[in-house]
Amino acid sequence: DAGVIQSPRHEVTEMGQEVTLRCKPISGHNSLFWYRQTMMRGLELLIYFNNNVPIDDSGMPEDRFSAKMPNASFSTLKIQPSEPRDSAVYFCASSLGEAQPQHFGDGTRLSIL
Amino acid sequence: GESVGLHLPTLSVQEGDNSIINCAYSNSASDYFIWYKQESGKGPQFIIDIRSNMDKRQGQRVTVLLNKTVKHLSLQIAATQPGDSAVYFCAETPNDYKLSFGAGTTVTVRA
Repeated sequence: DAGVIQSPRHEVTEMGQEVTLRCKPISGHNSLFWYRQTMMRGLELLIYFNNNVPIDDSGMPEDRFSAKMPNASFSTLKIQPSEPRDSAVYFCASSLGEAQPQHFGDGTRLSIL
Repeated sequence: GESVGLHLPTLSVQEGDNSIINCAYSNSASDYFIWYKQESGKGPQFIIDIRSNMDKRQGQRVTVLLNKTVKHLSLQIAATQPGDSAVYFCAETPNDYKLSFGAGTTVTVRA
């Protein structure tokens, strides 16, 4: 079975530009998570969806970040406008539900110049 | 605030030996724990999980031990192989979804 699929794998853009990261969760999983990984802060949860509804967005850094899940098989994380400090690896993960293992995609490495 | 941390940032192991990776957590309300393996350029890969009503769980070549008294978690890897070289993270959650990750332990397997 296919795992969590993220695109693009790498993104390099100039500050001020809009960035959209995409995620396809594992089929049948009803929980979806967006994480950010940096050397300084490690892995941080940004937002959690359950059955396409945002449940916890307390980790979203600021209003420049937004996430949507229009259906069970697709989610986006958008940064507008992007800043150099947003440079990180962004991971999407999905699970069958709460207290179930979260399975991660291979991430999007984002560089904001 | 609450945090999950690892005792050692690096571990060097001879191929064929057993590895033990340790993790301390501080949130006494945590009731679900997971170990992940992350290889370079990839996302964290689920290894094994354990709930707070258990103190030991075994998988294929791996065993997780949970000591709630001292808030300590460990991952044992039997007969360590070169493919086990990676960064290992423990994660815990008190609310079933919001995982807090440790800093990670880099495991290097010597041939």
